[in-house]
Amino acid sequence: QSALTQPPSVSAAPGQKVTISCSGSSSNIGNNYVSWYQQFPRTAPKLLIYENNKRPSGIPDRFSGSKSGTSATLDITGLQTGDEADYYCGAWDSSRLNAGGVFGGGTKVTVL
Amino acid sequence: QVQLQESGPGLVKPSQTLSLTCTVSGDFINSGPYYWSWIRQRPGQGLEWLGYISYGGSTYYNPSLKSRLTISVDTSKNQFSLKVDSVTAADTAVYYCARDPKGYNNLDYRGQGILVTVSS
Repeated sequence: QSALTQPPSVSAAPGQKVTISCSGSSSNIGNNYVSWYQQFPRTAPKLLIYENNKRPSGIPDRFSGSKSGTSATLDITGLQTGDEADYYCGAWDSSRLNAGGVFGGGTKVTVL
Repeated sequence: QVQLQESGPGLVKPSQTLSLTCTVSGDFINSGPYYWSWIRQRPGQGLEWLGYISYGGSTYYNPSLKSRLTISVDTSKNQFSLKVDSVTAADTAVYYCARDPKGYNNLDYRGQGILVTVSS
C-alpha cells in the first residue's frame, strides 16, 4: 500500500492530453513539494518535475505539474508514442511516526 | 555531469547482509548540501524510498525498515554505501542510488540500478 495514490493506468491517442493524479495527505503532499518521475522498462526513473511544477533542464514543456491541497497532477500534452512509460509521484512525509520519502504506486501511460 | 554507479553482489543468501556501494563521479560527494539516497524497486512493483545520508553525515531511514538499514559515506573514495541486515526474499529488488539536492525526495541524478536477488 503506497502512501500516495495514483491511478494504475491512463491512456489517450497521440497528440491528446493525459492527466495523472496523485493523492496524499496533509503530512506529505499537503505540506511538502511533489516530484514526478518517468520510468521506461528496465531503466532508472528519470526526474520530470520537481518542487510541484518545475522542469529540470531538457524536459520538454509538454510535461507540467501542479498541486492543490493534498493532491498533485502531472499533465502530458501532445502525447507521443515515446511517452509510453510508468510515471511516479514522490514527496516527503513529515509525520511524526512515518517521516521519510514516499512514492505513489505508479501509473502506466498507454498511447492508443 | 554527475554520474552514479551501484556495485555489489547480485545474489545474497537469506539472513545475510546485503551490501551495496554507490560511486559518484563528476563531483565531490561532500561538495554541496546534498542528500545521498537509496531507493529500491521490487520486481513488478513501484518505487520504495530507503533512506539517505546528508552532506553533514546525518542519516534518515524508511521507518518500516529502519532497524535493518545502515547508510554510510566514504568521502576519500567518493562513495556511499547501503547495508540491509537479515535479508529475506522480500528484499529482492533493483536498488538505485541517487542524489537529492534538497532532502525531500527529489532525486535529480540516479544510478542505473543493480538487481539483488535473495536466495539460497
